[in-house]
Amino acid sequence: QKEVEQDPGPLSVPEGAIVSLNCTYSNSAFQYFMWYRQYSRKGPELLMYTYSSGNKEDGRFTAQVDKSSKYISLFIRDSQPSDSATYLCAMSGNTGGFKTIFGAGTRLFVKA
Amino acid sequence: DTGVSQNPRHKITKRGQNVTFRCDPISEHNRLYWYRQTLGQGPEFLTYFQNEAQLEKSRLLSDRFSAERPKGSFSTLEIQRTEQGDSAMYLCASSLGTGFDTDTQYFGPGTRLTVL
Repeated sequence: QKEVEQDPGPLSVPEGAIVSLNCTYSNSAFQYFMWYRQYSRKGPELLMYTYSSGNKEDGRFTAQVDKSSKYISLFIRDSQPSDSATYLCAMSGNTGGFKTIFGAGTRLFVKA
Repeated sequence: DTGVSQNPRHKITKRGQNVTFRCDPISEHNRLYWYRQTLGQGPEFLTYFQNEAQLEKSRLLSDRFSAERPKGSFSTLEIQRTEQGDSAMYLCASSLGTGFDTDTQYFGPGTRLTVL
């Protein structure tokens, strides 16, 4: 079993829809939770960074962390065609180093 | 600052050849990470440096792989005797790394390696 599980999709939604992306994890030592966006053939770009449990909002993006359920989410409001990309969850923490574990990524397509 | 840069962006080589990639981190970033990413997968951790010290290596990093970060600035990743299974995107990331906690990593554009 992978430490971080993420549905690879693809997920296709119409423009303006609310998108929900999720990851589950197994290592309770994780404390830092990130969401990256990756366009085709580009490096990942950090979207959101959350420490421990709770919600964080940045513009159209909201990240949620539920450590009790080992479940994290990213919501995108008013989705745009330019949001079409692969979204990677990532996490790290008290694992004896600064290694970050990534999910496999969810491919999102927002149709105009 | 222009961010993390990686060179070359693409490399095509024949099986058995050696290749070397370079990563220039964001200036003043103390931590530097190398990852490997294959199609449809997230980045897989290979190794990281705190300044010039290599502090952790993944078991993915076989003895054919070696990474250096002389003087704590740029880093190189060398793969000796390349195999077709080494074909992947090699990503570099850097972070401030001034504390004892994980901090935000900024990624470069990657080097895409194709081994024929």
